[in-house]
Amino acid sequence: NAGVTQTPKFQVLKTGQSMTLQCAQDMNHEYMSWYRQDPGMGLRLIHYSVGAGITDQGEVPNGYNVSRSTTEDFPLRLLSAAPSQTSVYFCASSPLRISGSNQPQHFGDGTRLSIL
Amino acid sequence: GDSVTQMEGPVTLSEEAFLTINCTYTATGYPSLFWYVQYPGEGLQLLLKATKADDKGSNKGFEATYRKETTSFHLEKGSVQVSDSAVYFCALLDDYKLSFGAGTTVTVRA
Repeated sequence: NAGVTQTPKFQVLKTGQSMTLQCAQDMNHEYMSWYRQDPGMGLRLIHYSVGAGITDQGEVPNGYNVSRSTTEDFPLRLLSAAPSQTSVYFCASSPLRISGSNQPQHFGDGTRLSIL
Repeated sequence: GDSVTQMEGPVTLSEEAFLTINCTYTATGYPSLFWYVQYPGEGLQLLLKATKADDKGSNKGFEATYRKETTSFHLEKGSVQVSDSAVYFCALLDDYKLSFGAGTTVTVRA
């Protein structure tokens, strides 16, 4: 039972390079999201999706793009990496509400990204 | 907008001590509340949840009660172990958006 799988686990980029962080889930969850974790700031929502073909911005979307062509995959793209994007990135997924109740999100193990 | 404020750390305890981590929230709707735990080098794991006022979430000896009157969701454990050393995050889920507190680092010494 894989859950939420993120690749790669570690990456070092140079300023200006582009990169895609991969996220896949095998639980048939409609909702998927990306967060970044920085010291002393908890996790902040970058982008999210409530289903294939639907995406929306979170709290800190600038510098990142996403797409959701399938239920399973939700890649995060950095078009031109900047040192301020050095962080740990987490992908999460969950079902939509069940019987009106919000459902907890399941997290991947994270991608540690350094921008030099 | 929605926000979560939790007790700043780090917190250092001896084994078998009582642990409390305070968490308060601000929300416009009727959120669900969660505690997540992050062990060193790992992702976040759901520790416990509460979906409505007066619900009590519990797991692995940890408890938290959803108090709407005080907008709080404090985490407690009566007797901590070394294996409880981790970072603990309080979180609020409303309309699919999860808002996190800054996290509290807990270290338990033998």
